[in-house]
Amino acid sequence: GAVVSQHPSWVICKSGTSVKIECRSLDFQATTMFWYRQFPKQSLMLMATSNEGSKATYEQGVEKDKFLINHASLTLSTLTVTSAHPEDSSFYICSARAASGGPRSTQYFGPGTRLTVL
Amino acid sequence: DAKTTQPTSMDCAEGRAANLPCNHSTISGNEYVYWYRQIHSQGPQYIIHGLKNNETNEMASLIITEDRKSSTLILPHATLRDTAVYYCIVSGYSSASKIIFGSGTRLSIRP
Repeated sequence: GAVVSQHPSWVICKSGTSVKIECRSLDFQATTMFWYRQFPKQSLMLMATSNEGSKATYEQGVEKDKFLINHASLTLSTLTVTSAHPEDSSFYICSARAASGGPRSTQYFGPGTRLTVL
Repeated sequence: DAKTTQPTSMDCAEGRAANLPCNHSTISGNEYVYWYRQIHSQGPQYIIHGLKNNETNEMASLIITEDRKSSTLILPHATLRDTAVYYCIVSGYSSASKIIFGSGTRLSIRP
């Protein structure tokens, strides 16, 4: 299957600082990437849909000014958690879908980034 | 997006076939059935997907009922490494179609 990477795999930061997480599709182009968040013992929750060259679409209840998404190219999307607070500590996971779309395209997930805000 | 219903947990003996059921009675005609699994502290791993025909790959088989209202994921020879949470998801096939996760089935493989 296709490979999606995330960087960093884990990060610890102080409250009030901003953290950037990168998501890359390594062997395919993705016009659409998705960002999820997962709290302990819970399922993944979709935060936003990232579209190459246009603004991201956020799910209800997700603050767009706090979670900044940039999809600058067909292989890179970034999520910036601004002014992070301890309640933002979570496991952040991205996914990407091939640009070709269609019945044979599949969404592949990155390994996740564990954010801990002190 | 159609919702799915899965058992909260299941267990299976190592070496035996693990059969994971999923109900998706509100699936629409252009939605696919996807299966992913998540091993602890990792990103979800794609397993298989199908529209209406049964599908098989190196990991598993997917059996979809004729009315498409339910499906079964089959892991033919379960190993301890198959212990994970398995998610059954229905989604469209466009590049912008969302994958929305439910609670999934926690599968435990016993030695």
